[in-house]
Amino acid sequence: DGGITQSPKYLFRKEGQNVTLSCEQNLNHDAMYWYRQDPGQGLRLIYYSQIVNDFQKGDIAEGYSVSREKKESFPLTVTSAQKNPTAFYLCASTLIQGGIRGYTFGSGTRLTVV
Amino acid sequence: QKEVEQDPGPLSVPEGAIVSLNCTYSNSAFQYFMWYRQYSRKGPELLMYTYSSGNKEDGRFTAQVDKSSKYISLFIRDSQPSDSATYLCAMSAQGNEKLTFGTGTRLTIIP
Repeated sequence: DGGITQSPKYLFRKEGQNVTLSCEQNLNHDAMYWYRQDPGQGLRLIYYSQIVNDFQKGDIAEGYSVSREKKESFPLTVTSAQKNPTAFYLCASTLIQGGIRGYTFGSGTRLTVV
Repeated sequence: QKEVEQDPGPLSVPEGAIVSLNCTYSNSAFQYFMWYRQYSRKGPELLMYTYSSGNKEDGRFTAQVDKSSKYISLFIRDSQPSDSATYLCAMSAQGNEKLTFGTGTRLTIIP
């Protein structure tokens, strides 16, 4: 079955560590997105990519980095510069052309600073 | 002011009631409107989408868009406990690109 897979489901980070969240899709989607979800704040866009080897900052990119070396993969690194990283992180993907279909989301990664 | 405003709730209604969920927006360029349902600790899933103004029905769900008022609604008829979730509205000016999301309304259906 086609879908979008995020791993790990739960992740714990110590102060000063970088951690990488994985996002893989087998839907042949062009565009991929990373969102952060905090209670009462909805989904906030961190980074997005519409094509391999290219990506753009979203509304809250500071302290995060991404890469898009393959169409299927869009990993997110939470760096030590991100001062408040505890949140639920969602990856999404979509086909840009070909009719309205919205985004397909992964099941999320819950990151906790310990 | 946020581009998309959504009452966060929580909203609790008895089983069988009609539920009305709403969003307002300020960007007149928005043409594509969507509703997502998100169960606890899961990713959102697309429920319905509409283009421009009008109504769209799918089973117990009806989506309405009033572009003149910049107001969209999702109605759930004969609500069930399985409808308990957070509902997010989303909209864009360019189809599948760059969706802007509301904060979500947490809904509980009481058996």
